[in-house]
Amino acid sequence: GENVEQHPSTLSVQEGDSAVIKCTYSDSASNYFPWYKQELGKRPQLIIDIRSNVGEKKDQRIAVTLNKTAKHFSLHITETQPEDSAVYFCAASSKTSYDKVIFGPGTSLSVIP
Amino acid sequence: NAGVTQTPKFQVLKTGQSMTLQCAQDMNHNSMYWYRQDPGMGLRLIYYSASEGTTDKGEVPNGYNVSRLNKREFSLRLESAAPSQTSVYFCASRDRASSNGYTFGSGTRLTVV
Repeated sequence: GENVEQHPSTLSVQEGDSAVIKCTYSDSASNYFPWYKQELGKRPQLIIDIRSNVGEKKDQRIAVTLNKTAKHFSLHITETQPEDSAVYFCAASSKTSYDKVIFGPGTSLSVIP
Repeated sequence: NAGVTQTPKFQVLKTGQSMTLQCAQDMNHNSMYWYRQDPGMGLRLIYYSASEGTTDKGEVPNGYNVSRLNKREFSLRLESAAPSQTSVYFCASRDRASSNGYTFGSGTRLTVV
């Protein structure tokens, strides 16, 4: 089955710097890659997603890149702000197991003012 | 529009007791899911239901049962609770047709003593 790894597990950056979180997946049939943000004590919320037919997607300060050959995808946050501090999860699902979305273990991001 | 509603929000059980976690969504989504979240392990899929009348095992189904009562409701049952089932449980739903990400409920914090 699908396995999703995520690095780093913790990340501290100065306000205004960029943050990058990387994920790898094992199932070459995976074709949908969402990213979720979870603030302390709250539910995960979708922040951006990418499908396997594109290599990059941007939404304001957030971007995701996908390398299908290497089976990895990354989240990039530019001009970080204290409110970006949260746990970020990547995930993957495939056509063959469309409804089975598997999550990575998460990255705890701290933005230092 | 409530989205995904979970009950209860908190629960303490004694080892061996049983209970059912309730989940309902009002977005007319086909797919519903149960995840558990433990520190450092991300969100692990317990069971999912791709459509009304179907259920499938996820990554960690042992010790749990589910029922897709109708399109709106998907319940998770612990027949004989164990301390290893202490966790935060999240229900989620997804619109299969639009291929978008999950909408999560607010979670149930379960402690088994």
